[in-house]
Amino acid sequence: SAVISQKPSRDICQRGTSLTIQCQVDSQVTMMFWYRQQPGQSLTLIATANQGSEATYESGFVIDKFPISRPNLTFSTLTVSNMSPEDSSIYLCSVGLAGGPGGEQFFGPGTRLTVL
Amino acid sequence: ILNVEQSPQSLHVQEGDSTNFTCSFPSSNFYALHWYRWETAKSPEALFVMTLNGDEKKKGRISATLNTKEGYSYLYIKGSQPEDSATYLCAPGFQKLVFGTGTRLLVSP
Repeated sequence: SAVISQKPSRDICQRGTSLTIQCQVDSQVTMMFWYRQQPGQSLTLIATANQGSEATYESGFVIDKFPISRPNLTFSTLTVSNMSPEDSSIYLCSVGLAGGPGGEQFFGPGTRLTVL
Repeated sequence: ILNVEQSPQSLHVQEGDSTNFTCSFPSSNFYALHWYRWETAKSPEALFVMTLNGDEKKKGRISATLNTKEGYSYLYIKGSQPEDSATYLCAPGFQKLVFGTGTRLLVSP
């Protein structure tokens, strides 16, 4: 398993501003992912954070809105840019451990974002 | 895009009751099925990763079965306790997980 921390745990932001969320893992991992859960919706994959290269975004998510950094194998950031109330969500990072059957993932505690 | 459905959406049971939830997913291109328990303000906790048709896994009072040919999995909780109150999520996939909307379980003392 892996121990994952996220900062901040929650925030309330004004529309038009940006927020950067940090994800720290206690061991080196190859695969890191960013998800969000909008109110009443399912947990949805935003992107795969690749170390040393640009993140891979899922359909409906773009780099200009959700820029991601992955400077090393234990850390990643997700920025929510030019926020609107529709960005109010729980944002979670997760890591996949090599060798786990079926690609088991472990999640951080999440960042609860409210945009006013 | 995978369509993952979970039922029921929510469930309220009394302590000691046994309960079960369903996860339905497309049976084509199956690789693995993940179950998670997510308590408010905590990290989603991995319960099971299931890969083989007919697989059955157990963790304490919680167990799960998998039918990859027809595309469904059942999660069972025997003798529910208040600490089992959480949202239970299923997700087929490998690395890129596609989650259902979950079953919210409330267990009253």
